[in-house]
Formats: sequence, structure tokens, C-alpha cells
Amino acid sequence: GAVVSQHPSWVICKSGTSVKIECRSLDFQATTMFWYRQFPKQSLMLMATSNEGSKATYEQGVEKDKFLINHASLTLSTLTVTSAHPEDSSFYICSARRLAGGHEQFFGPGTRLTVL
Amino acid sequence: AQSVAQPEDQVNVAEGNPLTVKCTYSVSGNPYLFWYVQYPNRGLQFLLKYITGDNLVKGSYGFEAEFNKSQTSFHLKKPSALVSDSALYFCAVIPPGGNNRLAFGKGIQVVVIP
Repeated sequence: GAVVSQHPSWVICKSGTSVKIECRSLDFQATTMFWYRQFPKQSLMLMATSNEGSKATYEQGVEKDKFLINHASLTLSTLTVTSAHPEDSSFYICSARRLAGGHEQFFGPGTRLTVL
Repeated sequence: AQSVAQPEDQVNVAEGNPLTVKCTYSVSGNPYLFWYVQYPNRGLQFLLKYITGDNLVKGSYGFEAEFNKSQTSFHLKKPSALVSDSALYFCAVIPPGGNNRLAFGKGIQVVVIP
């Protein structure tokens, strides 16, 4: 149990376009989902915390108009990178925390975004 | 301030030998501590956690970790390493009152040599 999926697993887009990444908890309901960004050989950087039915909480330095987060249901959160630029190229990982409790987060497999 | 320190960039160990991956934390109170493993181009897999209770925590794939409050450490251990254990290992902490936001260490690359 506690499986989290992400779609797409990788995406290549042109500079200036927008890209949507989906994060789904497949076999549990998630009160909270988290979005991370990871650069090669580096740790995960928390971008935002997403709670179902409310606005996301962004970490300092993360542009909320650039990285739009929607948490429409207890099993789905989306991250939209708007007007993407090459510096947005990265590995984006989501995680989910169970509605039923527990403190651990369960991570998706990640989405590799490359902006040309 | 860095909440989690993983002092090594890489740990090399021969297959069959004991594996230790170090982690220390620098938050006050009683934090929640976690270990995750990441294989190339994949998300993180949960290994184990310490919330309260017994200081020795057993997790997935034969791993265990010992919470040491006096040394503020949470080292990950495995008695006999496998080649398939080669991966990136992250220690993470939720500080008291941290709203369930994980703070990760920089990660340690483990290389198990056949």
C-alpha cells in the first residue's frame, strides 16, 4: 500500500510553454501533498505544501505564480510550471501524507522536466 | 541552519560487510527522524522512522537505525551489504512543530563493491 504515481515521468517542452505534472495517491487518501525539486546529485528542496481544498503554502523563494499548485481531491495534486524556461529544468518529485495519520511521506517516482 | 547533517558524500563497502550511513541532527526537542533511499531517476522509498519508543528501529530490506539522543544521531545500519543496496540515502527530520515538513540531509551515495 501507499503508492504514489506521477505523470508524466518525463517531459520535454519549448521555452515559454506551460507543463502540468500530476501526482496521485493510488491506494490511500492524502490530506497533504508536497512538491519537491531536486537538482543532480543534490538533496530535495521543498517547494510547496498542498492541502486538499485550500491554497498551497509556498516556501520562501518559490514563485507561486510560476509554479501553480492545485489540490483538487484527496488523491490528486497538480503542479503547473508556467512559461517554462531552461532554468526550470529539473527533477520534480511529489509526496503524500496519509489522511489516516502517520508522519511518513510516500514519494512519487518523479518527473524529469527538460525545457529547451 | 542545517537541521540534518550527513557528513560523508560517499560510502564504499564490500559486499557482505556491515554498512553504516551516518546522520546527525540539530533540532531541539524530540524530532521525528526518517531514512529514505533513492535509486537513479526514481523517487524516494521509505526505509524506516523513529517517532518514539525503542531507540532501535527496524525497517525495510534488513536496515535498522539507532536513535541516540545524547549524540543527536540516527545512523542507518545493515549487517551485510548487498550490491543492490547501492543507492543514494537520505536522512530527514521533522522538527517539533514542523507541520510535517521534512528537512532532508544532502544525501550519501552508497557504493557496494562486489
